[in-house]
Amino acid sequence: GDSVTQMEGPVTLSEEAFLTINCTYTATGYPSLFWYVQYPGEGLQLLLKATKADDKGSNKGFEATYRKETTSFHLEKGSVQVSDSAVYFCALSDVSDYKLSFGAGTTVTVRA
Amino acid sequence: EPEVTQTPSHQVTQMGQEVILRCVPISNHLYFYWYRQILGQKVEFLVSFYNNEISEKSEIFDDQFSVERPDGSNFTLKIRSTKLEDSAMYFCASSESTDTQYFGPGTRLTVL
Repeated sequence: GDSVTQMEGPVTLSEEAFLTINCTYTATGYPSLFWYVQYPGEGLQLLLKATKADDKGSNKGFEATYRKETTSFHLEKGSVQVSDSAVYFCALSDVSDYKLSFGAGTTVTVRA
Repeated sequence: EPEVTQTPSHQVTQMGQEVILRCVPISNHLYFYWYRQILGQKVEFLVSFYNNEISEKSEIFDDQFSVERPDGSNFTLKIRSTKLEDSAMYFCASSESTDTQYFGPGTRLTVL
């Protein structure tokens, strides 16, 4: 079945550091790929998405590129802020069934 | 901006009791979902619902679980006889089409 593997955390960074969270996937079809973020005490919020190969999703300074050849969708941000402290989830949605399959989540803490 | 809402935010119940978790999806959305996240584990798909019927369900969604859209705005998840292992955060999500799902803030269910 479909699955997502993402980098284990926790990740602790200083403000203005570069963030990357690796995500790879296994799917039988051509999935859509998502990053969701969960801030402390809140629900899951869509951060960005990409629906086909070579698409780049971007939002709030975060970017991820859909790489079909490496089955990856790594999340990057060039300069993190304390407010980026959250849990980040990589997810995929296969065209055949629409349910989301999530990675385990990566906890990111940014220190001032 | 429209959002998915869920009530209650925290539900405590005794083992064997019935619970109903409530969700109000975004008003023009047609697809509805329930997911759960046991503490420290992945977010897992439970069920999807479209056109007043279940379109897909996971192995977790056994006879103890049911979903209903009792009126034009609410979407509920019922657990008939709760077990200790049902303790988790339950997320409702909705989508306009089969693409991006928007999540509510979750209901934390604690079974004692």
